[in-house]
Amino acid sequence: RKEVEQDPGPFNVPEGATVAFNCTYSNSASQSFFWYRQDCRKEPKLLMSVYSSGNEDGRFTAQLNRASQYISLLIRDSKLSDSATYLCVAYTDKLIFGTGTRLQVFP
Amino acid sequence: DTGVSQDPRHKITKRGQNVTFRCDPISEHNRLYWYRQTLGQGPEFLTYFQNEAQLEKSRLLSNRFSAERPKGSFSTLEIQRTEQGDSAMYLCASSLARGGDTQYFGPGTRLTVL
Repeated sequence: RKEVEQDPGPFNVPEGATVAFNCTYSNSASQSFFWYRQDCRKEPKLLMSVYSSGNEDGRFTAQLNRASQYISLLIRDSKLSDSATYLCVAYTDKLIFGTGTRLQVFP
Repeated sequence: DTGVSQDPRHKITKRGQNVTFRCDPISEHNRLYWYRQTLGQGPEFLTYFQNEAQLEKSRLLSNRFSAERPKGSFSTLEIQRTEQGDSAMYLCASSLARGGDTQYFGPGTRLTVL
């Protein structure tokens, strides 16, 4: 079983839609959590950190539930430019990535 | 551009050849990480350094792989006797020791083994 698990998708949504990604992690010692965005054949880039209190950055909202070891990302009002792979990440002394969830936003 | 650079960006080699990749981290960062990413997967941890000390190596890092960071600045990753299964994107990231979770990635070296 992978240490960080997420649905690989793809999620195909129209512009303006709201889409939610979920992920679970197995190592309860994980210290911090992130969502990264990765465009095709590029390096991963940090999208946002994830906290138990929840955090929002514009159209993006992330949430951590430590009790159920569950992380979510909500994207509101999807744009064509949001099309990418979204990687769920847990950190102990290194980053542990999920396989990524592919999002395709269509006009 | 995060300030982490990798060279070369692409490498095509024949099976059995040796290859070496270089990573230059952000100058004040004392931690340097190597990850490998294959198609359809997320990046997987290979190894990391704090200054010149190699602190952890993944089981993925077979004895054909060696990494160095001799002066605590740039790092090299060498793969000996390459195999087709080594074809992947090799990513380097750097961070401060305090705040090691905030890692900045380089553009990666894409290796193709024929």
